[in-house]
Amino acid sequence: AQSVSQHNHHVILSEAASLELGCNYSYGGTVNLFWYVQYPGQHLQLLLKYFSGDPLVKGIKGFEAEFIKSKFSFNLRKPSVQWSDTAEYFCASRGLEGTALIFGKGTTLSVSS
Amino acid sequence: KAGVTQTPRYLIKTRGQQVTLSCSPISGHRSVSWYQQTPGQGLQFLFEYFSETQRNKGNFPGRFSGRQFSNSRSEMNVSTLELGDSALYLCASSLPGLAGGPVGYTGELFFGEGSRLTVL
Repeated sequence: AQSVSQHNHHVILSEAASLELGCNYSYGGTVNLFWYVQYPGQHLQLLLKYFSGDPLVKGIKGFEAEFIKSKFSFNLRKPSVQWSDTAEYFCASRGLEGTALIFGKGTTLSVSS
Repeated sequence: KAGVTQTPRYLIKTRGQQVTLSCSPISGHRSVSWYQQTPGQGLQFLFEYFSETQRNKGNFPGRFSGRQFSNSRSEMNVSTLELGDSALYLCASSLPGLAGGPVGYTGELFFGEGSRLTVL
């Protein structure tokens, strides 16, 4: 069965610190991978996605993620976080065969100014 | 263009009752997915509909059901409510298809603000 694991439940950082959130997926075939963000009081929105090609994908607000097929991983990174990055982050995967988009349990990021 | 609209936004029910939640997708989107969001469990997939047909189904009991209408609007129903059903129910719409599919397909789901259900 398809699944997504996010390693960190809650991450606390100071402004300007670097961020890396772990994500591993489990699926036997080719997948599309996504990171979504949910800011306090707002709806989920897409940060970035990977379909094919360059395994390093760039998204909005300075976020990037690297797809490492051999490790079934799609970690999210940002070199310098801001207070406004405080939010919940969800990794998700969808198999190319038309399976559902499956989410991890999320990581809460708290950034102190 | 207008986003995904979910109604009602908030509702309170008691155990044993049933509830129906509604979702209007973005115009032109024919695929609708439903998720249950609870603290610590993230988003758990309920079902996905395309052209009035259920395409995928998550691991929820039969008390949870859904349907999609010809105008792509969708409803989900939960019967015999339990305390554990208290959650934020999210609807998301998308263009249907697979990677490399129809022009404009991005695989992205566009989420509504959700319906927050409290069961007492």
